[in-house]
Amino acid sequence: DVVLTQSPLSLPVTLGQPASISCRSSQNLVYSDGNTYLNWFQQRPGQSPRRLIYKVSNRDSGVPDRFSGSGSGTDFTLRISRVEAEDVGVYYCMQGTHWPLTFGGGTKVEIK
Amino acid sequence: QVQLQESGPGLVKPSETLPLTCTVSGGSISGYYWSWIRQPPGKGLECIGYVYYNGSTYYNPSLKSRVTISVDTSKNRFSLNLNSVTAADTAVYYCARASRGIAFGGFVVIPFGFDYWGRGTLVTVSS
Repeated sequence: DVVLTQSPLSLPVTLGQPASISCRSSQNLVYSDGNTYLNWFQQRPGQSPRRLIYKVSNRDSGVPDRFSGSGSGTDFTLRISRVEAEDVGVYYCMQGTHWPLTFGGGTKVEIK
Repeated sequence: QVQLQESGPGLVKPSETLPLTCTVSGGSISGYYWSWIRQPPGKGLECIGYVYYNGSTYYNPSLKSRVTISVDTSKNRFSLNLNSVTAADTAVYYCARASRGIAFGGFVVIPFGFDYWGRGTLVTVSS
């Protein structure tokens, strides 16, 4: 199975400051059709996960533009340009290129 | 707006079968992949498997020997049965929808993950 390693495990951030989460894959995530199926999910405390980003850098409808995704091959990053209080939660990367799909271990974003 | 709601027992005894149902409202079950995903307390997410609306199933190899996922299009719902449970199966179980799958070599990958999720239901395995 593809292993997705996220870092850091915990990310204390000051309100209004940027945050960056890394996701590294044990295998290249480029599919045979040329696309890279790496997605990001946010799970706020007590809530279900919600998809934020699909296919590396595409924001879902309703996701604020302070969230952005980038990367290629095996290295990917989720960035929050200015953290707001509602961004507190755990963020997961997920790959849909290889069978079976797998999630990263999660990064907990909290306010300092 | 599509909504998913899990239902089932909150407590299951070791060695027994864990049965859950996900009822879909606000949209049709047809044309999509429907999944069960679980999250042990304080831990990350694990996809158990998924079923296409036509009944085709795809299970995580780590759980395949114990899992059955089925779909009932007439009732707009799908179900999970996980047998021979142990304490390690204690988790919040989510049902979720995937809009797209890509078939290859007998498998189907879910490239974009899941766009709708249920609220989740905690199932504890204990005697």
